[in-house]
Amino acid sequence: AQKITQTQPGMFVQEKEAVTLDCTYDTSDQSYGLFWYKQPSSGEMIFLIYQGSYDEQNATEGRYSLNFQKARKSANLVISASQLGDSAMYFCAMREGRWVDSNYQLIWGAGTKLIIKP
Amino acid sequence: AAGVIQSPRHLIKEKRETATLKCYPIPRHDTVYWYQQGPGQDPQFLISFYEKMQSDKGSIPDRFSAQQFSDYHSELNMSSLELGDSALYFCASSLAGANTGELFFGEGSRLTVL
Repeated sequence: AQKITQTQPGMFVQEKEAVTLDCTYDTSDQSYGLFWYKQPSSGEMIFLIYQGSYDEQNATEGRYSLNFQKARKSANLVISASQLGDSAMYFCAMREGRWVDSNYQLIWGAGTKLIIKP
Repeated sequence: AAGVIQSPRHLIKEKRETATLKCYPIPRHDTVYWYQQGPGQDPQFLISFYEKMQSDKGSIPDRFSAQQFSDYHSELNMSSLELGDSALYFCASSLAGANTGELFFGEGSRLTVL
């Protein structure tokens, strides 16, 4: 079974609109972390935002926020006021286990290709 | 701030040749990861090192080997290259015990096998 599911292979959004990228996850661990990364066409992998399973508040980083619904096992990324530079692939990823463990291997979703239209 | 440095950024090889990719993690980071990302795919975990010892192994082919050196830099050695090895190879580093466990990625090394 997929551990990370991103159901939107691609999305077109008008510039300045808000956009929500979906991510659902599957884990039996009580402690886990959820990440969003952005990968522009140039290829680098850019960290956007992190949500820990015990964090009670939704994470926010500038125009990025993570809509964390633990009971539904969803961790959607919300980008407010989208910009042309937001066009990229967006990956949702999960780390299972306690943060004190030395191995932080990430489990990745298939990604969502976001295109911002002017 | 210093980031993860990967070299070379681009590499073109012929089938059956060998290639070596290098990774310099962020200073004081003690864990290094290697990922392979094929065209249009999500990154696939290859191998990781913690304090110069292999800590986990993913889908790394037997033709590939890696190690982490005393200065914490890591090298991924790929032999008998195949067309299917063409991919973007990421190195990432992290600090064990850090609050979020965020992996910091390099810009990737793009390998093309002809």
